[in-house]
Order: sequence, then C-alpha cells, then structure tokens
Amino acid sequence: GENVEQHPSTLSVQEGDSAVIKCTYSDSASNYFPWYKQELGKRPQLIIDIRSNVGEKKDQRIAVTLNKTAKHFSLHITETQPEDSAVYFCAARPGGYSSASKIIFGSGTRLSIRP
Amino acid sequence: GAVVSQHPSWVICKSGTSVKIECRSLDFQATTMFWYRQFPKQSLMLMATSNEGSKATYEQGVEKDKFLINHASLTLSTLTVTSAHPEDSSFYICSARAPGHSSYNEQFFGPGTRLTVL
Repeated sequence: GENVEQHPSTLSVQEGDSAVIKCTYSDSASNYFPWYKQELGKRPQLIIDIRSNVGEKKDQRIAVTLNKTAKHFSLHITETQPEDSAVYFCAARPGGYSSASKIIFGSGTRLSIRP
Repeated sequence: GAVVSQHPSWVICKSGTSVKIECRSLDFQATTMFWYRQFPKQSLMLMATSNEGSKATYEQGVEKDKFLINHASLTLSTLTVTSAHPEDSSFYICSARAPGHSSYNEQFFGPGTRLTVL
C-alpha cells in the first residue's frame, strides 16, 4: 500500500524566515496531495492541496511543489508568523479504484516560529 | 458548508466496556466516511473506510471485530470500540468528502473524540 514519509519531524525557524517541509510517497499512481495544519487538540485543517497534473501551486505565503518523477512533494511557507506554529501533515491519495478516495498521512512536522 | 461533527468529544470508560462514537455530516450527504486514530504527538492512522449501506473496508492490522463500523445513513457513521482496554485510549477522528463541494477532493474532518480507558 501507499507509504508517505515526511521530514523533518521538528522544525524551528525565526519569524519572517521561510520553512520547508518535504514528503515522499511510494505509490506512483497517487493523484492528490493535500497538506494539513493541526493545532493541539484540534481537527486537521486543509491549507493547500495539489493534483498530480500540476507541478506547483501557490496561495499567498504558502506554496506546494510536486515532482512526480521523483515522487516528492514539498510545502513552502514564506514570511513565517507566530500563528504558523503547529503540526503540519502531508498526505497522499493512492491511485486505483479500490482506494475509495482515502488519503494516507505522513508522520507530521512540528513547526515552531521563534519571535 | 461541509461541516462534520462528532459525538461525544471526549469519553472515559472502564476497561471491558464498549464505546460508540458518532460522526455526522451536517450539511451534506456522505456515502463514504473515514475513521482515523491519532496517538499523542503522532500522525493520523487510517483505520477504515466506512461505506453507506455496505461493509466497511478496514486497513491492514485493524481488527474489524474490535472496531465495529456502521454507516446506516448518508449522514451518519458510527465507530464502536468493543471491550475497550487502556491501549485503545486515543484520539479518534472521522472525515468525509463532500460531493459537489468546490474542492471535491478535500476531506472534511470532525473535531475528534478523545477516548480514555481506565
């Protein structure tokens, strides 16, 4: 089945600097890659997503890139702010009819923004 | 739109008892819902896919007799943890896709249920 690996597990950056989180996936047929932000005790919130027919997508300070050949995708947050501190999860939706739209999560990155 | 609720938000039970958790789609119909378990400081692990009107599809390693899933209507899925033990203590979260929503791929998550088994 699909396996999603995420690095780093923790990341601390100075406020205003950029943060990059990287993920790899194993199923080459995966076709949808969402990123979620989860604050302590809260539900995951979708912050950006990308489909397999797109290489890059940007939404204000957040961008995601996808390299299908290498099976890598990354989250980029620019001009980080204290409210960006949270746990971020990448995820991938495996291909195939039997997947029934399920998504598999990476292990998470705890991002801390230093004032 | 695309709101998912869960009930209860937290529950404490004695070892050996069964606990039922409800997941509801409030403003849309969901033929498919998903159940996840999340241990402290860990990722969301997909347990099963809940299909309205048919049997759930369990992920490898998840005991279907331990975690009973019933998806009897287009807006409600339930997860019953049978004969709960302390190692079942966890944060259980459901999600659902919202067909017709602007982002049809997106899964909308419930607020989660924290289960503590004494």
